[in-house]
Amino acid sequence: EIVLTQSPDFQSVTPKEKVTITCRASQSIGSNVHWYQQKPGQSPKLLITYASQSFSGVPSRFSGSGSGTDFTLTINSLEAEDAATYYCHRSNSLPYTFGQGTKLEIK
Amino acid sequence: QVQLVESGGGVVQPGGSLRLSCAASGFNFNKYGMHWVRQAPGKGLEWVAFIRLDGSDEYYADSVKGRFTVSRDNSKKMLILEMNSLGAEDTAVYYCAKDLGAAGIIFDHWGPGTLVTVSS
Repeated sequence: EIVLTQSPDFQSVTPKEKVTITCRASQSIGSNVHWYQQKPGQSPKLLITYASQSFSGVPSRFSGSGSGTDFTLTINSLEAEDAATYYCHRSNSLPYTFGQGTKLEIK
Repeated sequence: QVQLVESGGGVVQPGGSLRLSCAASGFNFNKYGMHWVRQAPGKGLEWVAFIRLDGSDEYYADSVKGRFTVSRDNSKKMLILEMNSLGAEDTAVYYCAKDLGAAGIIFDHWGPGTLVTVSS
């Protein structure tokens, strides 16, 4: 089974800061990585598909990059409402696993 | 707009069974695959099951294979998860999620979830 490992597990950041979350796959998975945001008490929301394609309605400060085994979610000019846990997810083969999550705290 | 609403969660004893439902609206239900994804309290996300748009194929996580069955009723726009032989490890919020419909497996809309607690 292909494992996704995110880093960091937790990050405390200030508004307007640029944030980078990484997701590493245990073997190459092309561009089959997608990113989700889950705010406390809410269900997850899709942000990025196929490593770098923004989902409809997602603010432009969210972007993704990467291919193969290394992927990045970048949040430019962080806003207070971005406090959440972020998950990467792979869809190349069964089972469709997620990274362990990265929790962002806004200072 | 897309709406997914899960129901059927509750407290069940170890070894027991439960049936979850997900009512869909706001999109052509019979044109999209559907998923169940769960989240244990304070933990991350775990994909559980997927069913194709016409119900022709089902796929399961190893952790639930042989115990859970996913089905759908396209005439009623309903997704179902039958869960048997439940154990403490199945305690979680269960989310119904719509597939994006592209070639890959992507969860583009989620319901609010229903909590299943397995406890004596």
